[in-house]
Amino acid sequence: DQQVKQNSPSLSVQEGRISILNCDYTNSMFDYFLWYKKYPAEGPTFLISISSIKDKNEDGRFTVFLNKSAKHLSLHIVPSQPGDSAVYFCAASARAGTALIFGKGTTLSVSS
Amino acid sequence: DAGITQSPRYKITETGRQVTLMCHQTWSHSYMFWYRQDLGHGLRLIYYSAAADITDKGEVPDGYVVSRSKTENFPLTLESATRSQTSVYFCASSLGPYEKLFFGSGTQLSVL
Repeated sequence: DQQVKQNSPSLSVQEGRISILNCDYTNSMFDYFLWYKKYPAEGPTFLISISSIKDKNEDGRFTVFLNKSAKHLSLHIVPSQPGDSAVYFCAASARAGTALIFGKGTTLSVSS
Repeated sequence: DAGITQSPRYKITETGRQVTLMCHQTWSHSYMFWYRQDLGHGLRLIYYSAAADITDKGEVPDGYVVSRSKTENFPLTLESATRSQTSVYFCASSLGPYEKLFFGSGTQLSVL
């Protein structure tokens, strides 16, 4: 049973517009959430994270929002750039857990 | 260079053969992980290690063996490779089990 779900396999956005990537989770014990970005033929790289004590975290063009009651988080990229085209993985962990659990990923395509 | 390195980058083998994928990190991170990435499944945890001589199973451990005699190395062995083990394998390390992961560049394994 998937604990971290990314229900949109792909997303296409025009350069300069906002990209919104969504992630849902089922385990209420999760208290730390991360987004990773992956280019082809490379390993995933850390993008941004958020603790369950917050509902928003910003880093430049990237903002992650957490809605604990809905067990939902989203990654906003504003403005989107062609270099943002990649696969984005949502991941979650619990302090009582053992390792990060990843979603299946969403492929973002930003066209110029 | 400091970081996490995986070898080989590409490997082709035959069904039934033993294969070992290597992983080396220079950060002295306590935790190391092996994930596999498959279309439609995202990143799935195979094994992880909390420290030298301590290893534990992840989500998909069957058919794999790991060891960790030194903190910096975490090899993954397929004792008798099967076609279903054709995948991209990523090694990662972190300071703690729920901290952000740093990934290697991956090993693309094909089992014929």
